[in-house]
Amino acid sequence: KAGVTQTPRYLIKTRGQQVTLSCSPISGHRSVSWYQQTPGQGLQFLFEYFSETQRNKGNFPGRFSGRQFSNSRSEMNVSTLELGDSALYLCASTLDRNTEAFFGQGTRLTVV
Amino acid sequence: AQSVTQPDIHITVSEGASLELRCNYSYGATPYLFWYVQSPGQGLQLLLKYFSGDTLVQGIKGFEAEFKRSQSSFNLRKPSVHWSDAAEYFCAVSPGNTDKLIFGTGTRLQVFP
Repeated sequence: KAGVTQTPRYLIKTRGQQVTLSCSPISGHRSVSWYQQTPGQGLQFLFEYFSETQRNKGNFPGRFSGRQFSNSRSEMNVSTLELGDSALYLCASTLDRNTEAFFGQGTRLTVV
Repeated sequence: AQSVTQPDIHITVSEGASLELRCNYSYGATPYLFWYVQSPGQGLQLLLKYFSGDTLVQGIKGFEAEFKRSQSSFNLRKPSVHWSDAAEYFCAVSPGNTDKLIFGTGTRLQVFP
């Protein structure tokens, strides 16, 4: 069974641009969550989607948004990029609530 | 608010030595507890989880963890560390009504031959 796939693996963007990251969950998993990992703030929860609905949201500005499609694939978008958005963005999928999360390898975003 | 504390930022052990990584959580009810491991530049791999039942849980790669409600702890242990165990280890808690994970700050494990 294929794992969680995140694309692209690496991105370099300029301040002010926007970016879209993609996550394909494990087949059959209906929940997708996103996390931002930085050296200073550690792993922080961005949002959680289940059956195309945002079920939970972390404490991030409105520049961070996401969505989930009917096939459970998810995208997150960051608009008006700032230098501080440079991070490893991790996606996790779960079969349902109260089951373990499986993580992708992440997308390394660098904002210059 | 829920939180996770990993008091040790960096631990160094010799190969073959035993290991214990500490994790304390703050949550009103019994949470779901996890340990993940991350190699540089990689995603997180689940080592083990505790949802309910036996408080001593076994995981992959020879790791185990014990849930102690009275101490709000979920420490990770391994009797004999291998050089390939060098990585960063994260303890996480989930409130249970969501898939959201709250992570500790991580413990970096260095293994000397």
